[in-house]
Amino acid sequence: SQQGEEDPQALSIQEGENATMNCSYKTSINNLQWYRQNSGRGLVHLILIRSNEREKHSGRLRVTLDTSKKSSSLLITASRAADTASYFCATDLLTGKLIFGQGTTLQVKP
Amino acid sequence: DAGVIQSPRHEVTEMGQEVTLRCKPISGHNSLFWYRQTMMRGLELLIYFNNNVPIDDSGMPEDRFSAKMPNASFSTLKIQPSEPRDSAVYFCASSLDAGEEQYFGPGTRLTVT
Repeated sequence: SQQGEEDPQALSIQEGENATMNCSYKTSINNLQWYRQNSGRGLVHLILIRSNEREKHSGRLRVTLDTSKKSSSLLITASRAADTASYFCATDLLTGKLIFGQGTTLQVKP
Repeated sequence: DAGVIQSPRHEVTEMGQEVTLRCKPISGHNSLFWYRQTMMRGLELLIYFNNNVPIDDSGMPEDRFSAKMPNASFSTLKIQPSEPRDSAVYFCASSLDAGEEQYFGPGTRLTVT
């Protein structure tokens, strides 16, 4: 299996609800990053959390990192239709390159 | 800053033809990455450069693929000869340094018939 695996693969919620996506990885990391990709577009960086950090916020985004469980979660609060996209976690394995997971497809219904 | 620039945005070519994809990273960024994205395989790193030097090309599928970075503001990914299984969206990304946040270009959608 891959270094970074997101769960669930797909998520459908109503506008205003919270969306939680999880990412698990296998080896030690330097940092973990979350990206968003709208259909037909390039990836957009959302947030980076370093291995010595446990939680980070950016606007409506909250990311947690548990290095003992090798897992991270991305929480989007008060979701909007515009949040509809695919979300990817990516891990930096101290080699300089990022390994991306398969992504979670989020649909927010108005 | 205009962000990462890729050209062409779309490329349709016949099997056996040479394809060249181009990328201009963000000025001042030291690392450049080429990715390929397909439904089946997701987002795959093909190669990355640091200070114009190829650091890891382990993701390059085979000898038909080659990449160059002759200077800090330009990189190419070449496929020769192209095959239908090369059809994918190819992304270029750059970052200040390897391992830091990456800025992606809009991608080149390649279709090989």
